[in-house]
Amino acid sequence: TQLLEQSPQFLSIQEGENLTVYCNSSSVFSSLQWYRQEPGEGPVLLVTVVTGGEVKKLKRLTFQFGDARKDSSLHITAAQPGDTGLYLCAGAQGAQKLVFGQGTRLTINP
Amino acid sequence: DVKVTQSSRYLVKRTGEKVFLECVQDMDHENMFWYRQDPGLGLRLIYFSYDVKMKEKGDIPEGYSVSREKKERFSLILESASTNQTSMYLCASSLLPSGDTQYFGPGTRLTVL
Repeated sequence: TQLLEQSPQFLSIQEGENLTVYCNSSSVFSSLQWYRQEPGEGPVLLVTVVTGGEVKKLKRLTFQFGDARKDSSLHITAAQPGDTGLYLCAGAQGAQKLVFGQGTRLTINP
Repeated sequence: DVKVTQSSRYLVKRTGEKVFLECVQDMDHENMFWYRQDPGLGLRLIYFSYDVKMKEKGDIPEGYSVSREKKERFSLILESASTNQTSMYLCASSLLPSGDTQYFGPGTRLTVL
């Protein structure tokens, strides 16, 4: 059973469009992280959200943590080919573990 | 620059072989992790270690063991490799547990024939 469900699993859109990726759970997390992974590399942290309702912006990327700290979203405005990659959400559960979602493979076509 | 290195990018082994995957971090991090990554399943935690000679089982430890003799090095061992262990293996480290940033190595793609 996947504790964190990401949707969609695959997304292919044209350059300039907007998109939202969702990360949902029935569990409460103390914090939630978003990573991006490019081919042949390990995941790299984009952001950590800690407070329920928190919104963080990273240039064209907007991250939101749900009020109940069970879900999160990533919104990309005016997507660019450089945004292509695998996006992973990960929730902090317990003292030492992260639980990862299945990932969203995003392709931005020029 | 923080760095996590893994001993091999690609590895091909035969069923029944003993396989060692090595991971080294240069950040003096206490915590180190081994994950496997499979399409549609995300990253699943195999083992982690929060101190030298300490280890904890993750979500899928069966068929694997680990060793942490030095702070900077965390090894994953497949005692008798099987075809269902064909996967991408990722090592990570973090300064603090749980909600802290995890720094990942580039991964080892292991194929067991």
